[in-house]
Amino acid sequence: KAGVTQTPRYLIKTRGQQVTLSCSPISGHRSVSWYQQTPGQGLQFLFEYFSETQRNKGNFPGRFSGRQFSNSRSEMNVSTLELGDSALYLCASSLRTGGDEQYFGPGTRLTVT
Amino acid sequence: GEDVEQSLFLSVREGDSSVINCTYTDSSSTYLYWYKQEPGAGLQLLTYIFSNMDMKQDQRLTVLLNKKDKHLSLRIADTQTGDSAIYFCAECPLSGNTPLVFGKGTRLSVIA
Repeated sequence: KAGVTQTPRYLIKTRGQQVTLSCSPISGHRSVSWYQQTPGQGLQFLFEYFSETQRNKGNFPGRFSGRQFSNSRSEMNVSTLELGDSALYLCASSLRTGGDEQYFGPGTRLTVT
Repeated sequence: GEDVEQSLFLSVREGDSSVINCTYTDSSSTYLYWYKQEPGAGLQLLTYIFSNMDMKQDQRLTVLLNKKDKHLSLRIADTQTGDSAIYFCAECPLSGNTPLVFGKGTRLSVIA
């Protein structure tokens, strides 16, 4: 079975721009969660989608949004990028929602200049 | 509230055992997980333990759970240089509809 894939792997954007990241979960997994990882803050939960519905949301501003498609693929969007948004964005998929065991993708490294 | 604490760094010699510790606050957690992150990569699920278990062994990995003290540990026997990574513990709250809660990770350095 193929693992979780994320595209692109690396991205450089300028302040004020917006960005869209994509995640394809493991086949059969219906839950996709997104995390932001930075050296200072560690792993912070952004949101979780299950069957195209947002089930949980972390404490991030409205500039961070996401969606899930009927094939369980998910995208997250960050608008009006700030320097502090530079991070590794990780996506994880699981069979069920909530705290089920999660399988992570390799991440997208976003650099905002 | 939910919080998971880990020490930030651990250094061991190749061939020795490593013990990575974790404390959590949600006594109703059902599953507790250990993940490994190598440089430039995502998190890899290593092992997990159900809250009604005290111990789980999987090859070189041993997980110990002390539910009374809300303490979880991961022991890696015969530590190798390839074990150098960041190790995260995570708890699954009983409520079930909330996400996993991760610690900040322990960076394990293995000295040859």
